[in-house]
Amino acid sequence: DTGVSQNPRHKITKRGQNVTFRCDPISEHNRLYWYRQTLGQGPEFLTYFQNEAQLEKSRLLSDRFSAERPKGSFSTLEIQRTEQGDSAMYLCASSLSSSSYEQYFGPGTRLTVT
Amino acid sequence: DQQVKQNSPSLSVQEGRISILNCDYTNSMFDYFLWYKKYPAEGPTFLISISSIKDKNEDGRFTVFLNKSAKHLSLHIVPSQPGDSAVYFCAASARVRGYQKVTFGTGTKLQVIP
Repeated sequence: DTGVSQNPRHKITKRGQNVTFRCDPISEHNRLYWYRQTLGQGPEFLTYFQNEAQLEKSRLLSDRFSAERPKGSFSTLEIQRTEQGDSAMYLCASSLSSSSYEQYFGPGTRLTVT
Repeated sequence: DQQVKQNSPSLSVQEGRISILNCDYTNSMFDYFLWYKKYPAEGPTFLISISSIKDKNEDGRFTVFLNKSAKHLSLHIVPSQPGDSAVYFCAASARVRGYQKVTFGTGTKLQVIP
């Protein structure tokens, strides 16, 4: 039984560059979530997919951020024109519809913008 | 506006004793409450949950208590073990536009001393 996986685990980029992260959820989970976590804080909700449909986006998700889940399986999160304030841990989680409050997290992608 | 608050950033407990982690919330619409455990370099791991219609849920060494009138919940770990040393996040879930939106606290770092 494989859990949620995320790639890459670490990403260092220069300010202004674009980055893309990938999340592979637990196979039978149809709901997928992206969170951002900064030092000393808990995970903050960014966006949510049910199958391939993006149904909710946080105000934290600026125009530079875009997320996709093209076939209702894996998801990508892209950040364009990165800024130093984007440095954080980006977490992906998945859940079943029947118990969507019980979310299973991946190990995260740590982004450092220099 | 921090809807889920963990006022103790850290807690140290002797092995074999009880660990009590506390959490307060402000939103009366929360219908599920959860605890997640996080080890360094890993994503949060779901630990235990409780519905808002209950006041206690127990799973092995872990028990969560909910006091709705005080908008307070706590996680008890008995007996505490060194492997329990981790950051514990309190979280609360409310139904928003057809899905359960989860809001996290800032975490409490538990150290169990052998």
